[in-house]
Order: sequence, then C-alpha cells, then structure tokens
Amino acid sequence: AQSVTQLGSHVSVSEGALVLLRCNYSSSVPPYLFWYVQYPNQGLQLLLKYTSAATLVKGINGFEAEFKKSETSFHLTKPSAHMSDAAEYFCAVSDGQGGSEKLVFGKGTKLTVNP
Amino acid sequence: GAVVSQHPSWVICKSGTSVKIECRSLDFQATTMFWYRQFPKQSLMLMATSNEGSKATYEQGVEKDKFLINHASLTLSTLTVTSAHPEDSSFYICSARDGHTGELFFGEGSRLTVL
Repeated sequence: AQSVTQLGSHVSVSEGALVLLRCNYSSSVPPYLFWYVQYPNQGLQLLLKYTSAATLVKGINGFEAEFKKSETSFHLTKPSAHMSDAAEYFCAVSDGQGGSEKLVFGKGTKLTVNP
Repeated sequence: GAVVSQHPSWVICKSGTSVKIECRSLDFQATTMFWYRQFPKQSLMLMATSNEGSKATYEQGVEKDKFLINHASLTLSTLTVTSAHPEDSSFYICSARDGHTGELFFGEGSRLTVL
C-alpha cells in the first residue's frame, strides 16, 4: 500500500521568503509523485510530477521539488513566496502504472503568505 | 489546456432526495474517470474508478447503492447521490484521464449541501 505524509498542516511565510512544504511517501514499488495546488472551492491543479526521470523537478509558478529516495521525500520549494501562492497544497503518490492511475493524497498543507 | 468541467458547482437539496453531478472532459476522450470526496479541511478520498462502458470499481467502504456512477461515454461520467442525507454534504471532485496521453486532469469540484 502507498501512503503520503505531509508534515505541517499549516505553513506561514512572509512575501518574498522561501517556501518549503514537506512530503514523505511510502511505497513498495518505484513511485510516481505529484504536487497539486487547490484554491478555495476549486479543483486541483498540477504543479509538478516526478516520474522516475530527473530527481529535481521544476513545475509551474516557480515551484520545484526534489525526489530523494534515501529519505523517501519529495519536498516542494519556491525561492520567493508571492501573495498569490496562498492556497492548499497536496502531495500525492501513485504506483506508476501509466503514471496516472489511482492517486493517494496527503492531508494537505495550507500555505499562508503574509505581506 | 485540457479541461474537465463539473456541473453543478453548487447544489443544495433536501434530505431524502437524489442529486446528480456531471463530469465532462471537454477536449479529450477520457477512458478512465475518478470520483473523490473531500471533507472540509481534509484530503481527497477516492470513492470509485469508472471506465467507459463498464461498471465502476468502488473503494472499500463506499456504498455502491448510495453513490451511483455511470460512465456512458468517453466524455461524460455522472455521480448520483441517492437518498441524500446531511452527512453526504461534501465537496465532490472528479478527475479524468486522457486516453491518448495518459495525463490526468481534475474538475473544479461540486459542493453538495444536504439540508
């Protein structure tokens, strides 16, 4: 079975500061890993995904994540937070079959950006 | 980019009535669609996987007779909440997999409130 743990249900940063959202996964097979963003009352938008290619993955809106097998982590970072980054962020894992089969989501991290 | 549309976005109904939520892929054929349920401030829980022309596969603990899923065409899946009760109030999100590219896209979600 696969699972995802997101450390910290709430993260608060100042505008312009580094954003770091933590995600650890558990998987018995090589995982596919995803980060999604959700704005209030909306669906999910894919930020980036790891599919066994480069371990450092660059996504939209300046976000990137690094796959570290030894640490079973896939933390999301952004060098400089913007007010528009305030949202809920979900890390997800799949078993990699086709790259988009069932997704198992973490509980989410709400990012607040202070002016 | 590819778009998945859900309708209605908001629905309020009386207890005991049935509600149908539609999920449409607007510019691609979706061989597989997924239905998720999201409780307030929580993660997405997969309810069922539907493949066009076949019966949906429900996750453990999800009542098949309560949540009827139909995937009659390659662009439309419907979720019907039968005899809805207040505890069914939730945010329901669908996702659709592009049959050609394998990419996964999420709908905007539908908020159901049962009075």
